Amino acid sequence: AVQLTQSPASLSASVGDKVTITCRASQGISTALAWYQQKSGKPPKLLIYDASSLESGVPARFSGSGSGTDFTLTITSLQPADFATYYCQLFDSSPFTFGPGTRVDFK
Amino acid sequence: EVRLLESGGGLVQPGGSLRLSCAASGFTFNNYAMSWVRQAPGKGLEWVSAISGSGGSTHYADSVKGRFTISRDNSKNSVYLEMNSLRVEDTAVYYCAKKGIGLVPAAITALYFQHWGQGTLVTASS
Repeated sequence: AVQLTQSPASLSASVGDKVTITCRASQGISTALAWYQQKSGKPPKLLIYDASSLESGVPARFSGSGSGTDFTLTITSLQPADFATYYCQLFDSSPFTFGPGTRVDFK
Repeated sequence: EVRLLESGGGLVQPGGSLRLSCAASGFTFNNYAMSWVRQAPGKGLEWVSAISGSGGSTHYADSVKGRFTISRDNSKNSVYLEMNSLRVEDTAVYYCAKKGIGLVPAAITALYFQHWGQGTLVTASS
């Protein structure tokens, strides 16, 4: 099965910072990758699908890029609502694995 | 508005069984594949199982294969997860999730999750 790794595991940032999170697949998955945001005690929220397509209603400061094995989620100008944990997920075939997550907290 | 409401969680002894339900509304239920995703306390997300829109195709994570069974009743707009031989490591919040629109929303392909329920807690402990 394809494995996903994320880096960093956690990061500290300030409001207004640009944040980049990386997700790497153990083998090529084309653009079959999604990104989710999860806040404590809440279900995940879809941010990005097909590696770079922004889900409806998600602010434009979120963007995704990449294909094959290397993907990034970028948040330009971090806002207070963005402090959360972010997960990538592959969806080209079963098992539909999630990455281990990246926690973004206040510096 | 899409709504997914899970129920059926609770405390069960290791080796026991539990049946989770997810009641869906706000969309044409049989047009979409559905999944269960779980999250152990303080841990990350783990995909558990998926079922196609017709119910004719199912997939499972290796960690639950042979112990869990996913099913759906399209007449009741509901999806279920029958969990047998529960282990301590099955303790988690279980989320019901609806597939994103995509090209073939009823199929278990391109399975990312556009809508999620609030989750139901399953605790396997003696």
